[in-house]
Amino acid sequence: NAGVTQTPKFQVLKTGQSMTLQCAQDMNHEYMSWYRQDPGMGLRLIHYSVGAGITDQGEVPNGYNVSRSTTEDFPLRLLSAAPSQTSVYFCASSYVGGVYEQYFGPGTRLTVT
Amino acid sequence: GENVEQHPSTLSVQEGDSAVIKCTYSDSASNYFPWYKQELGKRPQLIIDIRSNVGEKKDQRIAVTLNKTAKHFSLHITETQPEDSAVYFCAASLNTGNQFYFGTGTSLTVIP
Repeated sequence: NAGVTQTPKFQVLKTGQSMTLQCAQDMNHEYMSWYRQDPGMGLRLIHYSVGAGITDQGEVPNGYNVSRSTTEDFPLRLLSAAPSQTSVYFCASSYVGGVYEQYFGPGTRLTVT
Repeated sequence: GENVEQHPSTLSVQEGDSAVIKCTYSDSASNYFPWYKQELGKRPQLIIDIRSNVGEKKDQRIAVTLNKTAKHFSLHITETQPEDSAVYFCAASLNTGNQFYFGTGTSLTVIP
């Protein structure tokens, strides 16, 4: 079991560029989510999905898009990167229902200049 | 939505002493409260969790207590060791929902 994997580990973008952060899990979890982690602000939910074809917004969705075409994959798209999106991004997965352990990926450190 | 507050933001203890981290939540319907440990440069990992039908749960040197009336829950680490040094996050969620709300984290340093 690879668990939750994320690529890339590090990325530097210029303002206005777009990119996709990849997330995959092999635990057959229905629930997948994206968080951003900023100093002193904990983990804030960007988007989440409870199954293929179903996505919803979290606390801080602006500037990000997601889609869920398969159970395994949940990519996060930055449409037009801004310096405010400099952060560490974590993908997580779990069984659906809100009372199960979330398994986190290793994170992607993104810098927007 | 739910609002989770966590205190203190930093905590230093001598090796062997106890550490206590406290969280409060706002939504009385929340019924699942996990705690995550994040070492420097690593991913958050679950260390203990508690559901609202339980008041206390222990796992070796780690314990969590929940007071539903006051809407607060706490993490207790006894006999602290240097490897306990990390950032700890509390969270709250509803079993009818799919959003986890995290506290802002506590950076624990255990001084040898």
